[in-house]
Amino acid sequence: QAQLQESGPGLVKPSQTLSLTCTVSGDSMTRGSYYWNWIRQSPGRGLEWLAYIYYSGSTYYNPSLESRLSISADTSKNRFSLTLTSLSAADTAVYYCARAPSTGSSPGAFDLWGNGTLVTVSS
Amino acid sequence: EIVLTQSPATLSLSPGQRATLSCRASQSVGRDFLAWFQQRPGQPPRLLIHGTSTRATGIPDRFSGDGSVTEFTLTISRLEPEDFAVYFCYQYGFTPPRSFGGGTTVEMK
Repeated sequence: QAQLQESGPGLVKPSQTLSLTCTVSGDSMTRGSYYWNWIRQSPGRGLEWLAYIYYSGSTYYNPSLESRLSISADTSKNRFSLTLTSLSAADTAVYYCARAPSTGSSPGAFDLWGNGTLVTVSS
Repeated sequence: EIVLTQSPATLSLSPGQRATLSCRASQSVGRDFLAWFQQRPGQPPRLLIHGTSTRATGIPDRFSGDGSVTEFTLTISRLEPEDFAVYFCYQYGFTPPRSFGGGTTVEMK
């Protein structure tokens, strides 16, 4: 059974860069049926979809954050990563990675989630 | 951006009662592209319904979804103790970005 596990720093200083990794187990990212996503959740902003990467390498970002976001994948290690630059307190949130099945031309709804990792932006 | 507005914010009900949750979209959302999630405290969201009315794997049939265009509903026919949680709608159509509603809390009366 597939599982997702996020990893990354719990505390980051303002203006710094956040790097998170999601390790996929029990499934292969290159199977071609899924999009691999990052989503965050905070009391102030609710649930917010951030970005996805497809097994082919194609990516798509939330336009409101696109200038600060980068998503990449290391298929040899079956994991994908998110980078978010120029952090502020508003980026404090629980960050989730999630899998979405392909609907043919775009991602469907998220059918598998990691447990999430809390990231606090504070000096 | 499509804004999803959920109502009510909180629903206070007893086990065995029927719950009806609403999700209103600021623009038309295709029936194929509306989903519902359940989130219990300390857990990630869990997919309940996709494509407006298709239950995800393992979801009991007391959960049902319906709607079209800009009005969608999630119905829980008879609340079980484990159903008291927060519910989110989510649209994943072609108009970026994909977006979530603000959530409805179903609490025990």
